[in-house]
Amino acid sequence: SQKIEQNSEALNIQEGKTATLTCNYTNYSPAYLQWYRQDPGRGPVFLLLIRENEKEKRKERLKVTFDTTLKQSLFHITASQPADSATYLCALPFSGGYNKLIFGAGTRLAVHP
Amino acid sequence: GAGVSQSPRYKVAKRGQDVALRCDPISGHVSLFWYQQALGQGPEFLTYFQNEAQLDKSGLPSDRFFAERPEGSVSTLKIQRTQQEDSAVYLCASSVDGGIAGELFFGEGSRLTVL
Repeated sequence: SQKIEQNSEALNIQEGKTATLTCNYTNYSPAYLQWYRQDPGRGPVFLLLIRENEKEKRKERLKVTFDTTLKQSLFHITASQPADSATYLCALPFSGGYNKLIFGAGTRLAVHP
Repeated sequence: GAGVSQSPRYKVAKRGQDVALRCDPISGHVSLFWYQQALGQGPEFLTYFQNEAQLDKSGLPSDRFFAERPEGSVSTLKIQRTQQEDSAVYLCASSVDGGIAGELFFGEGSRLTVL
């Protein structure tokens, strides 16, 4: 069955550094991948989508890569700020012709001043 | 409203009680999803509506769970005879259409605690 793995341990980094989060998947060839941000007590918020034919996507300080050979996506936040502290979720679509997503467990990022 | 609205935000139920959770999606959004999120986990798919049609209910954990969207807008998730394992955050999400690769807009969730 389809499986998504994200680092379960929290990632602690210093303000100003680049945070890199990993999303690995198995038994699957998704047409695209999405990243969401979730703050405590809130619903997930969409950040970026990258398609299988795109190697890299950028949005402001965010960068996502998608390696379909390694079955891996990397999510980077450059010049990180304490306000970037949150849980980041990776999501891939089930097969079926509509946008039904399977989510990873998420990685909690803490950016320290 | 501007976003997806869910109510109640918090619900405490005694084991065996029935509960109803409401979702008001973004106006005009065709697709509506319900997800269940346990503490420390990612959201898990429960069910999907395209307008008023429930096209996928494969994620509903038991026949105690029932969802409807009778007029293609507001949706209700009903849980009958609640059990402690039903304690979780129930998230509703909508998207513009059911097409592939659409972004999901989530509500803030309804946190259910079953005592």
